[in-house]
Amino acid sequence: SQTIHQWPATLVQPVGSPLSLECTVEGTSNPNLYWYRQAAGRGLQLLFYSVGIGQISSEVPQNLSASRPQDRQFILSSKKLLLSDSGFYLCAWSVSSGGNTGELFFGEGSRLTVL
Amino acid sequence: LAKTTQPISMDSYEGQEVNITCSHNNIATNDYITWYQQFPSQGPRFIIQGYKTKVTNEVASLFIPADRKSSTLSLPRVSLSDTAVYYCLVGRLYNNNDMRFGAGTRLTVKP
Repeated sequence: SQTIHQWPATLVQPVGSPLSLECTVEGTSNPNLYWYRQAAGRGLQLLFYSVGIGQISSEVPQNLSASRPQDRQFILSSKKLLLSDSGFYLCAWSVSSGGNTGELFFGEGSRLTVL
Repeated sequence: LAKTTQPISMDSYEGQEVNITCSHNNIATNDYITWYQQFPSQGPRFIIQGYKTKVTNEVASLFIPADRKSSTLSLPRVSLSDTAVYYCLVGRLYNNNDMRFGAGTRLTVKP
């Protein structure tokens, strides 16, 4: 069966520090991968999605970046965090086209607090 | 991706049936309608998906009228544990590269 893991689960970082959140998927090949952010009490904002290794689409201009160095690995990074980067970050995957029903499978989430 | 509109919040009581409606006036021919449930500090979880008419599974029913410009998620006999945020997504089959969530509906079930 397929599983998705992301870490760390909780992170407290000072303003201006770097960030790296990692996400891995097991049990499937060539998944579509997504990073979402959810501010407190708000809905989910799509940040990045990827349809393959090295292929990243950005939804929102910001100081965050994403990379996909391997087929089932998705990394969210920042060189210098802002207070507004605080939130709940979720990684998700879906089956790629050709049998895709549009169902997203989410990881456990990473709660980032920038002080 | 078709824009969706849902009520911001709803209240209900245990044992009642809850119907949450989502408007998607610009839905395209190939778009499917998918509903997710999210508990605090967790990722959303798939509830149900449909294209037209009615779909039912073990947790919910989804009603889609002929024009497909809206859909209604029906939760039978809710319990306190159904308190969550419910999201409606509309996306193209085989092209879910841009799955954008709306604000969702915060359902509160009271005893």
